[in-house]
Amino acid sequence: GAVVSQHPSRVICKSGTSVKIECRSLDFQATTMFWYRQFPKKSLMLMATSNEGSKATYEQGVEKDKFLINHASLTLSTLTVTSAHPEDSSFYICSARDWGRAGYEQYFGPGTRLTVT
Amino acid sequence: AQTVTQSQPEMSVQEAETVTLSCTYDTSESNYYLFWYKQPPSRQMILVIRQEAYKQQNATENRFSVNFQKAAKSFSLKISDSQLGDTAMYFCAFMKPAGTYKYIFGTGTRLKVLA
Repeated sequence: GAVVSQHPSRVICKSGTSVKIECRSLDFQATTMFWYRQFPKKSLMLMATSNEGSKATYEQGVEKDKFLINHASLTLSTLTVTSAHPEDSSFYICSARDWGRAGYEQYFGPGTRLTVT
Repeated sequence: AQTVTQSQPEMSVQEAETVTLSCTYDTSESNYYLFWYKQPPSRQMILVIRQEAYKQQNATENRFSVNFQKAAKSFSLKISDSQLGDTAMYFCAFMKPAGTYKYIFGTGTRLKVLA
């Protein structure tokens, strides 16, 4: 149980275009999802916390107008990178909390590699 | 603000041997959770072990165990009988069970198990 999927796993887009990444909790309800960015050989950097039915909470330094987050249902959150530039190329990971379980751990998706050309 | 420090960027261990990864943290909270996650080359984050701060007993999961020293704010991970599949990045994480319940991650330790 507690499986999180991400789609797509890899995406290449042209500079100036937008790209959407989906994060789904497959077998549990996730009122809270988290979006991370990870640079090569580095730790995970939290970008924002996504709560179902409300606005996301962005970490300091993360542009909310560039990284649009929507959490419209208990099993789906989306991250849209708008007007992408090469510096947005990175590995993006989502995670979700299962409020039905004790323990407070986050369950992570497999990640999405974004390349902006 | 809470911080998490992993002072060993890279480590290696021979197969079947034991290795300990260190993690220290700084917090003024009394109630919190600590986690170790493994990120193999596939980059899928996998929960290794969890420790509740209010529990004095160290958590164990098969070959993985922790040495939780609350007063010293230390949370090390011991891997016994290391296997080639243990080769991965290991991240220590702190979480306060309030507000957004977000993790504070350490910088990670790259572990290589040698045949």
